Amino acid sequence: QVQLQESGPGLVRPSETLSLTCSVSGGSIGSFSWNWVRQTAGKGLEWIGRISNTGSSNRNPSLKSRVTMSADTSKNQLSLRLISVTAADTAVYYCARMYFHVSSGTNRDAFDIWGQGTMVTVSS
Amino acid sequence: QSALTQPASVSGSPGQSITISCTGTTDDIGVYNYVSWYQQHPGKAPKLLLYDVYHRPSGVSSRFSGSKSGNTASLTISGLQAEDEADYFCSSYTAISTFVFGGGTKLTVL
Repeated sequence: QVQLQESGPGLVRPSETLSLTCSVSGGSIGSFSWNWVRQTAGKGLEWIGRISNTGSSNRNPSLKSRVTMSADTSKNQLSLRLISVTAADTAVYYCARMYFHVSSGTNRDAFDIWGQGTMVTVSS
Repeated sequence: QSALTQPASVSGSPGQSITISCTGTTDDIGVYNYVSWYQQHPGKAPKLLLYDVYHRPSGVSSRFSGSKSGNTASLTISGLQAEDEADYFCSSYTAISTFVFGGGTKLTVL
């Protein structure tokens, strides 16, 4: 069973860079596509971006210029970098797997496995 | 891209059915059948309930069903149970190869 575990600094100063890691166990990251999603207090979910098992990526246009996503197959880890953070970036950050429909062998446009999330606060 | 529109809250009594709407545009829900729904209990990660509008992943109760008409998707929960009290979010794939979520709906079981 694939499991995801996010980790990060917890507190980031304004204008600095937020760096998060998502460790994947129970499966190879090279076999699936992965997403980053965040949730601000009192607000809904916001999709940040996706990195596919082919290496291509898509990002939320509102964050595109500040977001970098990568995958390290040797460590079976995903990484997210968000530069020039502000208080508006304070949120719980999740990594989530693109739903892989086993019987059809295809990715479906949904998120089936999520990490427990890591809270990031942007404050001086 | 704008968030999908969901009602802030809905409520129902045990055993009843409720429906949560999710309204998008012709750039997302209106053009793709790639709508998914998630249930989130407090302090927990979201859980996938439905994908491709109405398909249920293995292990999800048949009490959860989905539909779509035009730019609006809907989640129906039948035979409401106390454990269904949670936040519900919709999501859609978009014409620019991104995903957009709804603002979330808080379900209260009376």
